[in-house]
Amino acid sequence: NAGVMQNPRHLVRRRGQEARLRCSPMKGHSHVYWYRQLPEEGLKFMVYLQKENIIDESGMPKERFSAEFPKEGPSILRIQQVVRGDSAAYFCASSRGEEDTQYFGPGTRLTVL
Amino acid sequence: GESVGLHLPTLSVQEGDNSIINCAYSNSASDYFIWYKQESGKGPQFIIDIRSNMDKRQGQRVTVLLNKTVKHLSLQIAATQPGDSAVYFCAEIHQFYFGTGTSLTVIP
Repeated sequence: NAGVMQNPRHLVRRRGQEARLRCSPMKGHSHVYWYRQLPEEGLKFMVYLQKENIIDESGMPKERFSAEFPKEGPSILRIQQVVRGDSAAYFCASSRGEEDTQYFGPGTRLTVL
Repeated sequence: GESVGLHLPTLSVQEGDNSIINCAYSNSASDYFIWYKQESGKGPQFIIDIRSNMDKRQGQRVTVLLNKTVKHLSLQIAATQPGDSAVYFCAEIHQFYFGTGTSLTVIP
């Protein structure tokens, strides 16, 4: 079985541009989680989604950030008008259910110039 | 507030020795813990999990101990190998909390 897939693996954007990060969960998983990791820091929770629903977005910045998990296709984390402080590794995880283990993807490393 | 924290940011062990990585949590309602291993440039990799109805769980070369009385869990790695060098996180998965991690370095 394929694991959690994320693309692109590396993304470079200039300040003010938009970044779109994609996450395809493991087969059979309908729960998706997004985390951000700054260098030398731990993972910070951003948002938890199920198909077509945002369950918990308590970790999402109030502006410029949005996430979706449509009925068909991958989950998308969208960052509008990126700033240098958005540079980080963004990880997606998926689980079969809310009570189940989260498995992580390889991450997308965003660099804002 | 809720937190999951690591006692030590770094740990160096000799190849072949056993490693013990500790983790404390503050929310007594926490009930599902996972240890992850993260190598440089990669995503966290599941190692082992434990639920609050257990005190101990063993995997291949790894053992997790949970002490609910003092809100503490540990990861023990037997016969540590160079490939074990990585950052190890404990997480309370239902609260989406991860510690900063302990960086394990194995000395050949």
